[in-house]
Amino acid sequence: EAQVTQNPRYLITVTGKKLTVTCSQNMNHEYMSWYRQDPGLGLRQIYYSMNVEVTDKGDVPEGYKVSRKEKRNFPLILESPSPNQTSLYFCASSFGRYEKLFFGSGTQLSVL
Amino acid sequence: AQSVTQLGSHVSVSEGALVLLRCNYSSSVPPYLFWYVQYPNQGLQLLLKYTSAATLVKGINGFEAEFKKSETSFHLTKPSAHMSDAAEYFCAAYGGQKLVFGKGTKLTVNP
Repeated sequence: EAQVTQNPRYLITVTGKKLTVTCSQNMNHEYMSWYRQDPGLGLRQIYYSMNVEVTDKGDVPEGYKVSRKEKRNFPLILESPSPNQTSLYFCASSFGRYEKLFFGSGTQLSVL
Repeated sequence: AQSVTQLGSHVSVSEGALVLLRCNYSSSVPPYLFWYVQYPNQGLQLLLKYTSAATLVKGINGFEAEFKKSETSFHLTKPSAHMSDAAEYFCAAYGGQKLVFGKGTKLTVNP
């Protein structure tokens, strides 16, 4: 089944403790992206990647890192999480930049 | 920079009534426009996409949207609401390399 898989689904952590949210797609998509969703703000793009080893900042990249060493994986790294990064995170992928996005089920992160 | 405005953060309709969710975009170039739907506790899924082939775009579940360049609008409609349409709807547009989402409209369908 074609899908974008995010893990974990829920995560509670404390300020400053490094964490990684994994994202994997099995559709051979070139384009991958991370979004955060906050009430009243919609979805905001954190980082995106056009292909392996090619990443670029979205609208809210501060405090986040990404890497794209393999086509299928696009992990999101929070090296020193802070409470303002408490949010619902979505990974998404598509065949190309202007194509339909396939979304993962989301990761609800709480930073205490 | 591209921006997307969805009028009304909450819309409530009766089952069987017309659904109208409004979206306006700002761009001087022809945009790539999308409507996505998010059901509770799920990720977003595509409802429809504007491809410039036709101004009226038909999507899944009976939804359609009309592209009006003169009004820079891409409103989403459905003639008859169903209880299963209750969800949050997001309009999105590409401005350059970035996909920008509106803030979303939560649709409630009353029996």
